[in-house]
Amino acid sequence: EVQLVQSGAEVKKPGESLKISCKGSGYSFTSYWIGWVRQMPGKGLEWMGIIYPGDSDSRYSPSFQGQVTISADKSISTAYLQWSSLKASDTAMYYCVRHSEVGDSLSHFDYWGQGTLVTVPS
Amino acid sequence: EIVLTQSPGTLSLSPGERATLSCRASQSVRSTYLAWYQQKPGQTPRLLIYGASSRATGIPDRFSGSGSGTDFTLTISRLQPEDFAVYYCQLYGSSPLTFGGGTKVEIK
Repeated sequence: EVQLVQSGAEVKKPGESLKISCKGSGYSFTSYWIGWVRQMPGKGLEWMGIIYPGDSDSRYSPSFQGQVTISADKSISTAYLQWSSLKASDTAMYYCVRHSEVGDSLSHFDYWGQGTLVTVPS
Repeated sequence: EIVLTQSPGTLSLSPGERATLSCRASQSVRSTYLAWYQQKPGQTPRLLIYGASSRATGIPDRFSGSGSGTDFTLTISRLQPEDFAVYYCQLYGSSPLTFGGGTKVEIK
């Protein structure tokens, strides 16, 4: 069974750093792109970027380029999303997703993690 | 960047009724690269439709997708209580991958 299990909710202060994780299981982690999706409170879905765990090739939406860093450790089948300096506007639910086709960075998402709620009080 | 516009923003219907949700692209897209997702309150989104009209595994046949070019439709033939949710369309196949703003289907 394919599963993406994300790390738990976080409450951080503005200016702090954060790294959240997404552990894949039940499939070949290195063969599928993993993406990250933001959902701000009461709002819609926004694609942030992706990574190919096989070689750590990463790509970003222009809206998020320079704002976050996506990485992966294939030895433990885990992808990461990190911030160096959080802002109140980073408060959101963050989902990791698996792209559906082997090696295809532009395929639709077939599996979603349960989400990680990041809260940065202003 | 192609923009996806979903309408209506909210659809108020009764169980058993037919729901028709629209997703319009700002320019013509390849029909094989349009997906629909369902998100129930407090839950993770799940894939319903990909390739504009192919149902994902385990999705009931009351859900159907159609369309091409710039206009796409998600139809729920007879609404069940568990279908009241927010639905998002998504364009893939080119970067950046984009979502529509969502349509909320609520109980009338």
